[in-house]
Formats: sequence, C-alpha cells, structure tokens
Amino acid sequence: DVKVTQSSRYLVKRTGEKVFLECVQDMDHENMFWYRQDPGLGLRLIYFSYDVKMKEKGDIPEGYSVSREKKERFSLILESASTNQTSMYLCASRYRALKYEQYFGPGTRLTVT
Amino acid sequence: GDSVTQMEGPVTLSEEAFLTINCTYTATGYPSLFWYVQYPGEGLQLLLKATKADDKGSNKGFEATYRKETTSFHLEKGSVQVSDSAVYFCALPHTQGGSEKLVFGKGTKLTVNP
Repeated sequence: DVKVTQSSRYLVKRTGEKVFLECVQDMDHENMFWYRQDPGLGLRLIYFSYDVKMKEKGDIPEGYSVSREKKERFSLILESASTNQTSMYLCASRYRALKYEQYFGPGTRLTVT
Repeated sequence: GDSVTQMEGPVTLSEEAFLTINCTYTATGYPSLFWYVQYPGEGLQLLLKATKADDKGSNKGFEATYRKETTSFHLEKGSVQVSDSAVYFCALPHTQGGSEKLVFGKGTKLTVNP
C-alpha cells in the first residue's frame, strides 16, 4: 500500500513565525503536491514538484515556498505565517506514468493565532 | 478553463436510502473523470474513475457513468450505510503549460444517519 505521511496532524503557530510542513511518501513517486482545503472552497493547489529539486507554482502560491531535496520528501514552508493561512494542508503524490491518480496524506490542520 | 461543478451540500440521508451526488464538467475533449472520497480525519482517496465516454466506474457499491451528452459524472449508490459518511469530490485532469494537474470540485458532505 502506498503511504503518504505528514509530520503533524495539528499545529498551532503564532503570526510571523516560520512554519515547516513535512510530507514523506514511501513508493518512489516522482510527483508530489501541496494543497490547502477550506470550507466552501474545496482543494486548491499551492505548489507541486515533478522531481527532485523541481517545483512549479500552483493556483495559490503567494506566501508559500517549497523544498524537495530528496525524492521521498516534499516540504511546504510558510515564511511568515499569517492568520489567513489557517487551514487544512494536504500533501499528495503520484507515479508520473499514472498521471492523475494521486495518493493523499491525512492532512495537517494549521492554526495561526 | 477546465472545471467541475458539484451539487452543494450538505446531504443528510437515512441508512439504506438512495444517493445521488451531481457533478458536471467543462473541458476540452473527453478527459478522464474521477470521484475521490475523504472520510473524517483522513486525506482523500480515489473512489472510482472513468477514462472515456460511456464508461462506468464502480467501487464499494458506488457507481458513476461518464455521459458526454450532458457532460456529467453523477455519483450514485443504491443503499447508503453510516460508514459512507464522508466528503465526496469530483475531479478532472487539466494540463496547463505542460503541467498535469487535477481540478477538484468543492466537495459534497454526506451524513448518513442510522
């Protein structure tokens, strides 16, 4: 079974703090994704990565950056957290060959106070 | 651009009731279509898919038929259970600038009462 894990299920941070969200997958998937999920807005893509050290902006990249130094790990960074970044963050991965079938982690619920 | 529209929720049903969650799409050509499900406290998982027009995807008693005439991919189940309570997302692929992504609907929350 494919396993995608996220470092925390719940996280509380203060405004202005630098926040790291970690995602690890164990199936050698080339592609990885970060989404945020908000009520009434569904899932919105923040960033994705096709391979190690490669990244592309999604639909809402402002205020976020990412890092992919190893194939299995994809980090989302909030350089200076703000209250409007309070959300559920979901990581996903996929085999490039399967194109659209993504495997999701359980999510990190981030609260910025 | 490519998009999906799902019926607004929440949907509340009694056990053994019939379920329909509507999904319509706007896209160029005939893309694959997907339903993902998110159980409470978990990430999304693929429920079923259809890769071409007139295909029927099925899994766990759920079905959806890809209808190109109506650009729809409605999710149905004949008899829901309490364990089906979850959020359901319709999705389709979108290629932009060489990047292949999934576009999700906003989700429909289903609650099934005993």
